[in-house]
Amino acid sequence: NAGVTQTPKFQVLKTGQSMTLQCAQDMNHEYMSWYRQDPGMGLRLIHYSVGAGITDQGEVPNGYNVSRSTTEDFPLRLLSAAPSQTSVYFCASSYVFRGGELFFGEGSRLTVL
Amino acid sequence: GDSVTQMEGPVTLSEEAFLTINCTYTATGYPSLFWYVQYPGEGLQLLLKATKADDKGSNKGFEATYRKETTSFHLEKGSVQVSDSAVYFCALSGSNNNDMRFGAGTRLTVKP
Repeated sequence: NAGVTQTPKFQVLKTGQSMTLQCAQDMNHEYMSWYRQDPGMGLRLIHYSVGAGITDQGEVPNGYNVSRSTTEDFPLRLLSAAPSQTSVYFCASSYVFRGGELFFGEGSRLTVL
Repeated sequence: GDSVTQMEGPVTLSEEAFLTINCTYTATGYPSLFWYVQYPGEGLQLLLKATKADDKGSNKGFEATYRKETTSFHLEKGSVQVSDSAVYFCALSGSNNNDMRFGAGTRLTVKP
């Protein structure tokens, strides 16, 4: 039982490069989201999706793009990496939009030089 | 908007000590409240939750009671173990939010 799978676990980028963080879940959850975790700031929502074909912005969406073509996958794209995007990124899913337990991936640590 | 405030760490305790991590919230309506735990190198996982006032969530010896009158959801454990060393996050999910709102996290270290 894989749950939520994120890849890669670690990535180093140069300023201006682009990349995609992959996220897949096998629990048939409609709700998926991306958070970034920074020291002393908890987790902040980047983008979320309530189902295939539907995405919306969270608290800190600038510089990121998402799509949801299937229920299982929710990739996060960094369009032109900046040092301020150095962070740990978590993908999460849930069976309900509000009030339900979030299931997290193991995280992707990104460093932008 | 809705928010969560939890006590800042880090917290260092000896094994078998009593643990309290304070959490207070601001929300309209009746949010659900959660405690998540993050062990080193891992993602967050649900520790316990409560969905209405006076509910007590419990798991692995940890407890927290949803107190609407004090808008609090403090985490407690009577006797901590070295294996409880982790970062603990208080969180809420309200009817007016599109996301789970997290506190800043409290790092707990338990020494033998």
